[in-house]
Amino acid sequence: EDQVTQSPEALRLQEGESSSLNCSYTVSGLRGLFWYRQDPGKGPEFLFTLYSAGEEKEKERLKATLTKKESFLHITAPKPEDSATYLCAVRSNQAGTALIFGKGTTLSVSS
Amino acid sequence: NAGVTQTPKFQVLKTGQSMTLQCAQDMNHEYMSWYRQDPGMGLRLIHYSVGAGITDQGEVPNGYNVSRSTTEDFPLRLLSAAPSQTSVYFCASSYSGQISNYGYTFGSGTRLTVV
Repeated sequence: EDQVTQSPEALRLQEGESSSLNCSYTVSGLRGLFWYRQDPGKGPEFLFTLYSAGEEKEKERLKATLTKKESFLHITAPKPEDSATYLCAVRSNQAGTALIFGKGTTLSVSS
Repeated sequence: NAGVTQTPKFQVLKTGQSMTLQCAQDMNHEYMSWYRQDPGMGLRLIHYSVGAGITDQGEVPNGYNVSRSTTEDFPLRLLSAAPSQTSVYFCASSYSGQISNYGYTFGSGTRLTVV
């Protein structure tokens, strides 16, 4: 059974304090690992897709990396506007068109 | 370009009542789906459709019904609401051949409370 586990559940950072969020996955044939950002009261917003181990993608202060068992979302010098819940999801051979989501990490950045 | 539009944004139902959550997209996406999001549970797939006239069940389909008569619309019907269906519901869509490139586009959600 495909599984996605995110850690930590919640993370509090000071502005400028870099850190990483973790997404561990177990899937039958990975067809893509996705990172989304979700603000309170809104739907998830697409950030990145990663396909193969060693792949990296960047967007502003965010950098996503992928290994064979996990993905990291690195946040460099975060700002208060980076506060949100970050969701990880996978697409697998077994799940077909469905994305399997983790429970998310809620990030709070204070100034 | 509206993207994925969900209505209503908020709804309170009494146990046993029925209702339809509306979802419409203007991107000509073949794939549409419904997820529910509960605290501590993450997003869970209810039903999905890969094109007009084609629907299938996801992880948690019980108590819900869907149909897809047009490419644009994918309504979710609650047949007899129960308190366990209190949740935030999200509609999502994508080009079927582009899911692995861009994931889904999500609507802004419907917050449903069943009392």
